[in-house]
Amino acid sequence: QQQVKQSPQSLIVQKGGISIINCAYENTAFDYFPWYQQFPGKGPALLIAIRPDVSEKKEGRFTISFNKSAKQFSLHIMDSQPGDSATYFCAASITGNQFYFGTGTSLTVIP
Amino acid sequence: DTEVTQTPKHLVMGMTNKKSLKCEQHMGHRAMYWYKQKAKKPPELMFVYSYEKLSINESVPSRFSPECPNSSLLNLHLHALQPEDSALYLCASSQDYDRSSYEQYFGPGTRLTVT
Repeated sequence: QQQVKQSPQSLIVQKGGISIINCAYENTAFDYFPWYQQFPGKGPALLIAIRPDVSEKKEGRFTISFNKSAKQFSLHIMDSQPGDSATYFCAASITGNQFYFGTGTSLTVIP
Repeated sequence: DTEVTQTPKHLVMGMTNKKSLKCEQHMGHRAMYWYKQKAKKPPELMFVYSYEKLSINESVPSRFSPECPNSSLLNLHLHALQPEDSALYLCASSQDYDRSSYEQYFGPGTRLTVT
């Protein structure tokens, strides 16, 4: 059973556009929601994370929006750049415990 | 510094070989993880060490044998692997496990090819 559902599987965005990736979960005990960015042949890098006591967190061009009642969270990449082209994984966990990863979104930003 | 290092970067081994993957972190983290990642898939948890003790083994075949010699080092010993074991093996660490910490930091991975 997929604990975290991620969409879309792939995304193509023009340079300067907004990239939006969505994740949904069922387990209301989850209390930590990170996003990881992974380039080919590299390990995932922690991009930004949120806890359910806030509805939004912004770091530079990256924003997480969190909807606790809908059990959904999303990553918004503003002013997308070709260097943002990578695979993005959302994840969810109960404090300090194992991560449940989404299936990943391959983002391509075209110049 | 949030660096987790892994060696080697690439490894090619035959099905009868014995090899080891190494992982090191100097962040004072007490939890370390091994993940396996196939192409275009998310990382799959294999093992969790907490305070140098094996905390979780996700039903991994015995041809994979983890070892945690000390709080900074994590090894994965490989023996009699199958071609389907070819993957990117990722090490990660976090401040703690089953307590109040959150962030997991991943290493760059070892690309393993079994011939």
